[in-house]
Parts: sequence; structure tokens; C-alpha cells
Amino acid sequence: EDQVTQSPEALRLQEGESSSLNCSYTVSGLRGLFWYRQDPGKGPEFLFTLYSAGEEKEKERLKATLTKKESFLHITAPKPEDSATYLCAVQPTTSGTYKYIFGTGTRLKVLA
Amino acid sequence: KAGVTQTPRYLIKTRGQQVTLSCSPISGHRSVSWYQQTPGQGLQFLFEYFSETQRNKGNFPGRFSGRQFSNSRSEMNVSTLELGDSALYLCASKQRNTGELFFGEGSRLTVL
Repeated sequence: EDQVTQSPEALRLQEGESSSLNCSYTVSGLRGLFWYRQDPGKGPEFLFTLYSAGEEKEKERLKATLTKKESFLHITAPKPEDSATYLCAVQPTTSGTYKYIFGTGTRLKVLA
Repeated sequence: KAGVTQTPRYLIKTRGQQVTLSCSPISGHRSVSWYQQTPGQGLQFLFEYFSETQRNKGNFPGRFSGRQFSNSRSEMNVSTLELGDSALYLCASKQRNTGELFFGEGSRLTVL
């Protein structure tokens, strides 16, 4: 069964304290892996797409990496405004091109 | 370029009533999908439409239905509301070439 697991569920960091969020996935074939940021009461905001193992994408303090079994979202020197829930989603090659499986997210809190 | 627009943003209904939510995708996007988000379950896929045709459906009862119009705008309907239908309903339009989903701000439904 296709599955996405994110860890940790919640993370508290001091401002400037770098860390990584994990997204482990089990799919028979991966069409794409997506990272989103979601602020309370709002819709998810697209961050990155990764398609193949070894691929990396970077944006400001965020860097996403992909292996055959997991993806990491590295946050370097975070600021309080990086506080949000980070969601990971995979699009498997099975079940058509219209199915996305979301993890339950990591709630990040960055303290000043 | 305007984003995904969802209306209404907030609504309160009572058990047994029905509700209709509306979504206007990003201009040029022809695929619209709907998700239900609750604290315990995360994002759960409801259905996806492309060119007015439902292409995929999640594991929700028949009380949940949707449609798409020729201008790609979409509506979803929930009949005979139950307390458990209280959730944030998110609409997303898809970038065809990359598979990236772009979400609206959501419609927050509270069922009393």
C-alpha cells in the first residue's frame, strides 16, 4: 500500500538552530515528491518538486533532497517566520496520474 | 497571475443540511482536485476533475459530490451534513507539465 510518513510530528527550534524534517514514502513507483508549507487556517503553499533520487532543490533557508525511500527538508538558520506545518506529498506512478498521498505534516515552531 | 479562489471562506451549517463550495482554478489550469483536511486525518483526497469529467475519486461516501464547468470552475456539494464533516475543504489546481498542485485558502465548514 502506498504510504507517506513524516517525522517528527512537531519540532521546536531556537532561531538559528538548523535541523531537518523527514518524509519517508512507500510507493511502487514515484512520479514526483512535493513539499508544501501551510500556515494556520490557510491552504498549503507549494515549495519544491523532486522527481528522482539524488535531486536537490534550494530556496532561501530551505533545501529539499530525495533518495529512493525518503526526502529531507533541511532548514538552515531558521527564523520565527519559518514557523509553519510542512507537508510532504507523493504522486505514485500507479493509480493514474491524479493521485497524491499526503503525509500528516511536521509542525515547526521557531523561537526568537 | 491570480491564484486559486475558493468561496465561501467560512460557513456554519447544521446537521442534515447541505452545502456547496466553489473553486476557481488558476487561469489555464484545467485540472481541479478537492481535499478534506482535519487535524486527525491530514489531507484526504476527495475527487479530481479534468475537462468537466471526474477522473478519480477518494474513499468518501456518496454524500460528497462535485462537478466542473466548461470554464474549469468547480463546485463540490455535501448533502445530509454530519458533525464529522466539519473540516477545511481545500481545492487545488494542477500545473499539467510538472504535476504541482496549487491550493486555495480553503473553505472552513463547521457543522453544528
